[in-house]
Amino acid sequence: AQKVTQAQTEISVVEKEDVTLDCVYETRDTTYYLFWYKQPPSGELVFLIRRNSFDEQNEISGRYSWNFQKSTSSFNFTITASQVVDSAVYFCALRDNTDKLIFGTGTRLQVFP
Amino acid sequence: NAGVMQNPRHLVRRRGQEARLRCSPMKGHSHVYWYRQLPEEGLKFMVYLQKENIIDESGMPKERFSAEFPKEGPSILRIQQVVRGDSAAYFCASSPPGRGNTDTQYFGPGTRLTVL
Repeated sequence: AQKVTQAQTEISVVEKEDVTLDCVYETRDTTYYLFWYKQPPSGELVFLIRRNSFDEQNEISGRYSWNFQKSTSSFNFTITASQVVDSAVYFCALRDNTDKLIFGTGTRLQVFP
Repeated sequence: NAGVMQNPRHLVRRRGQEARLRCSPMKGHSHVYWYRQLPEEGLKFMVYLQKENIIDESGMPKERFSAEFPKEGPSILRIQQVVRGDSAAYFCASSPPGRGNTDTQYFGPGTRLTVL
């Protein structure tokens, strides 16, 4: 069965701290896709990144970086020098041979000034 | 290029009434997905549609819930005889045509349904 686990329910940091959000997934498929979405307090879902299972190269986009490790079935997300505007719920999701996204339960990040 | 549109953004219904949620996919997208988010939980898949076809409805309750995506017009998620447990945020996502599972799903702003 496919499953996504985000063990951190809530994380609080002070501005400018670095923070890593963990994501562990389970799937029997060899081809799959992993995603991160951000849900700010306004409620919409914002797409952040998609990785496929054949590309383990880490990615950096500004203050955001992602570490994909197939050996540990993890796809962790790091925010460097966090800002108050980063406060949101972050969801990791898996898409395999079906067309549906399987979401983790989310990690609520609070960044204090 | 407009994103995924959902309306209404907020919907209040009394128990036993019907709720109709609308979703217009992004321009050029022909795959639509509906997800439900209960309070303080992650999103759960409900149904996947292409134009005039339901592809996967494995996540949708068998009773009271239905979905359609007609040739013309938005996709509709319909909940009949709503109950308090239906209160949730309902999100629609869309992706381009082609091999669906390779593409990113882009989400609309959601419809917050409250059942009194």
